[in-house]
Amino acid sequence: TQLLEQSPQFLSIQEGENLTVYCNSSSVFSSLQWYRQEPGEGPVLLVTVVTGGEVKKLKRLTFQFGDARKDSSLHITAAQPGDTGLYLCAGKAQEYGNKLVFGAGTILRVKS
Amino acid sequence: EPEVTQTPSHQVTQMGQEVILRCVPISNHLYFYWYRQILGQKVEFLVSFYNNEISEKSEIFDDQFSVERPDGSNFTLKIRSTKLEDSAMYFCASRGRVRDNEQFFGPGTRLTVL
Repeated sequence: TQLLEQSPQFLSIQEGENLTVYCNSSSVFSSLQWYRQEPGEGPVLLVTVVTGGEVKKLKRLTFQFGDARKDSSLHITAAQPGDTGLYLCAGKAQEYGNKLVFGAGTILRVKS
Repeated sequence: EPEVTQTPSHQVTQMGQEVILRCVPISNHLYFYWYRQILGQKVEFLVSFYNNEISEKSEIFDDQFSVERPDGSNFTLKIRSTKLEDSAMYFCASRGRVRDNEQFFGPGTRLTVL
């Protein structure tokens, strides 16, 4: 059972295009984080969302937490080759204890 | 910017040997974690540690695993008798009391069991 399901698994786009990746669950999360991971390195925290309906912006990245706190999305505007990487969502839900559970990730490739 | 550090970056060992993976969490953080990521798979929670004791552990964290905070700065993960399936990236993470939803990860140790 996938606690956090991410889609798409893989995305290859041209520089300048917009994209959205999704993170969905049937569980309610008290908080949800988005990380970016480069090959052979640890996940780097991008943002944390905690309130249903919350929207956070980080330059060209827009993160949204669903009203019911069961889903989240990451939208990238005008993608650049430097955005290439693995994007992971992770969250805490009461039914899973206090641990962070991760999605499988979306591999993004931005071609110049 | 303070960061979590881990050593070694890569550890190669023979099956059945003991390994100790080391982490230095961010200095004012109080909660410490170990995760692992088998190649091509999800990041998986292993254990959380607070106030010098394990606060939560997963099914993966069996009797072969142990954690310790031997001094004020290091946090270690020991695997007593490694198995082939222990080969993975092992990540340490820490968090503070403020911004308590946010865990910061180290660069990882790649463990290869032959």
